Amino acid sequence: EAGVAQSPRYKIIEKRQSVAFWCNPISGHATLYWYQQILGQGPKLLIQFQNNGVVDDSQLPKDRFSAERLKGVDSTLKIQPAKLEDSAVYLCASSFGANYGYTFGSGTRLTVV
Amino acid sequence: GDSVTQMEGPVTLSEEAFLTINCTYTATGYPSLFWYVQYPGEGLQLLLKATKADDKGSNKGFEATYRKETTSFHLEKGSVQVSDSAVYFCALSGYYGQNFVFGPGTRLSVLP
Repeated sequence: EAGVAQSPRYKIIEKRQSVAFWCNPISGHATLYWYQQILGQGPKLLIQFQNNGVVDDSQLPKDRFSAERLKGVDSTLKIQPAKLEDSAVYLCASSFGANYGYTFGSGTRLTVV
Repeated sequence: GDSVTQMEGPVTLSEEAFLTINCTYTATGYPSLFWYVQYPGEGLQLLLKATKADDKGSNKGFEATYRKETTSFHLEKGSVQVSDSAVYFCALSGYYGQNFVFGPGTRLSVLP
């Protein structure tokens, strides 16, 4: 099966600019997650979707981050405006259901300068 | 809230040495437990999982047993290879896949 697709692979922006990341999950996976992985740390959940509804966005900095999942398939994560501390790898993952584990995409490495 | 604690790295071993990476967790209910691996420059890959107490997950020579009495899920391998050099993450989720939490990761370096 095809994996979780993410784009772009790398992005460099200046602080206060905007950026968007795209994720296409594995076909049939109802649950989609966005994680932020800062260098040297474990991934931190930003938002979890079940189909096109938000299940958990408690750790999403909503003043600058937003995410949507169009038609319960693809998803975009946006940062506006970006800060230096947003430099990280943004990982998308999808899951078929409980206890199956997640399949992760390769991530988007964001550098804010 | 739920949390995962891993032994601090980096861990440096010689090829063919025995590996143990400790992982303990705090969770309500009956979580599922996972080990993920991240090779240099790559994304996270599921290495193994266990969904109930006393289950043993295994893959590629790695094993981990879900110990509810000690709230642990230690990763072991009898003979590591240079190609096992990576960062290993212990993780848990609620029974319905909610509240997925990662540990901080343990970097393993295997020397020839």
